[in-house]
Amino acid sequence: GQNIDQPTEMTATEGAIVQINCTYQTSGFNGLFWYQQHAGEAPTFLSYNVLDGLEEKGRFSSFLSRSKGYSYLLLKELQMKDSASYLCAVRDRPSGNTGKLIFGQGTTLQVKP
Amino acid sequence: DADVTQTPRNRITKTGKRIMLECSQTKGHDRMYWYRQDPGLGLRLIYYSFDVKDINKGEISDGYSVSRQAQAKFSLSLESAIPNQTALYFCATSDFSGQYFGPGTRLTVT
Repeated sequence: GQNIDQPTEMTATEGAIVQINCTYQTSGFNGLFWYQQHAGEAPTFLSYNVLDGLEEKGRFSSFLSRSKGYSYLLLKELQMKDSASYLCAVRDRPSGNTGKLIFGQGTTLQVKP
Repeated sequence: DADVTQTPRNRITKTGKRIMLECSQTKGHDRMYWYRQDPGLGLRLIYYSFDVKDINKGEISDGYSVSRQAQAKFSLSLESAIPNQTALYFCATSDFSGQYFGPGTRLTVT
């Protein structure tokens, strides 16, 4: 079956670093995505990993280990505006590149002063 | 202008009514999707389309239908709305580098 797990909620302090983990079990793999979603708004793209290793983009970094079925999103120098839900999604590729994503339930991050 | 637009943005309707949610995109993508989002359940795929002649059911298609009128337009219909279809609905398009979401339609069925 298809399964993506991430913690439901996390809390961190402004200026700190937080790591949001995601583990997945899917029948195929063709990339892992992280999205940010503020309450009532559309998800917005943060990062994409298809090969093992770390992708850095400003204050945000994302890591992938395909052999372990594991990814994390690292947020540095946290700001109050980073309070949002963070969605992990895997593009499943049972045959061919379908472009269909499977989403985890999301991690709600609360940043406190 | 937004690349993916949805109309209406908010809608309140009564049980048993037929309602259509519309999605348009200017990104030139062939692939389009409809999701619903409920608190604690994440994003769930209702229908998806890989081109104008291709329509596929997602994980929760019962009670919904879709129409792909053109590459740029993908509409979602609720033939007879029921209260448990109250949710936030998102349209999305995709290319290889990811999916791009519309602003969402908040639907309330009373």
